[in-house]
Amino acid sequence: RKEVEQDPGPFNVPEGATVAFNCTYSNSASQSFFWYRQDCRKEPKLLMSVYSSGNEDGRFTAQLNRASQYISLLIRDSKLSDSATYLCVVGGGGFKTIFGAGTRLFVKA
Amino acid sequence: DAGVTQSPTHLIKTRGQHVTLRCSPISGHKSVSWYQQVLGQGPQFIFQYYEKEERGRGNFPDRFSARQFPNYSSELNVNALLLGDSALYLCASSLGGPGNQPQHFGDGTRLSIL
Repeated sequence: RKEVEQDPGPFNVPEGATVAFNCTYSNSASQSFFWYRQDCRKEPKLLMSVYSSGNEDGRFTAQLNRASQYISLLIRDSKLSDSATYLCVVGGGGFKTIFGAGTRLFVKA
Repeated sequence: DAGVTQSPTHLIKTRGQHVTLRCSPISGHKSVSWYQQVLGQGPQFIFQYYEKEERGRGNFPDRFSARQFPNYSSELNVNALLLGDSALYLCASSLGGPGNQPQHFGDGTRLSIL
């Protein structure tokens, strides 16, 4: 079992749609969680950290479920510019960070 | 303020050669991590350095080595290059240990092995 697993997609959605991604992790001792966004042939960029109580940043909402060991990302009112690969990142405590393989999102006009 | 800078941007090598990749972190960041990313996969953790000491190592062979300098910049060295080492090599910096803090990535070095 991979340490961090994501549905690779692709998710094809129309503009204005709501889309959600899940990510599961295997290490119950994981302490930190992030979502990154990566555009084609570019470096990953931090989208948002994920806090235990859940957090929202504009159209983006992230949630953490420690009991089931997954995090989620919800994107509301999708824009064409949201098309990218979304990477789930789990910090195992200390100095190890594990990236998921990413979920590809295509937003269509 | 400058972000994370990596050099070179692109590099072409042949099998058996060695390569040195360089990274300068964001000013004030003391932690540097190296990742390898092949097409269609997420970044794979190679090394993490904090305060000039190796603090984490991923599942990579001994051909891969790194170090961090007093100014917190870092080098990744790969010896005896194989075709499978062709990838985008990413450097990321953070204030402290990256396991608990968000990381900021450089543009990467795209390494091609012929």
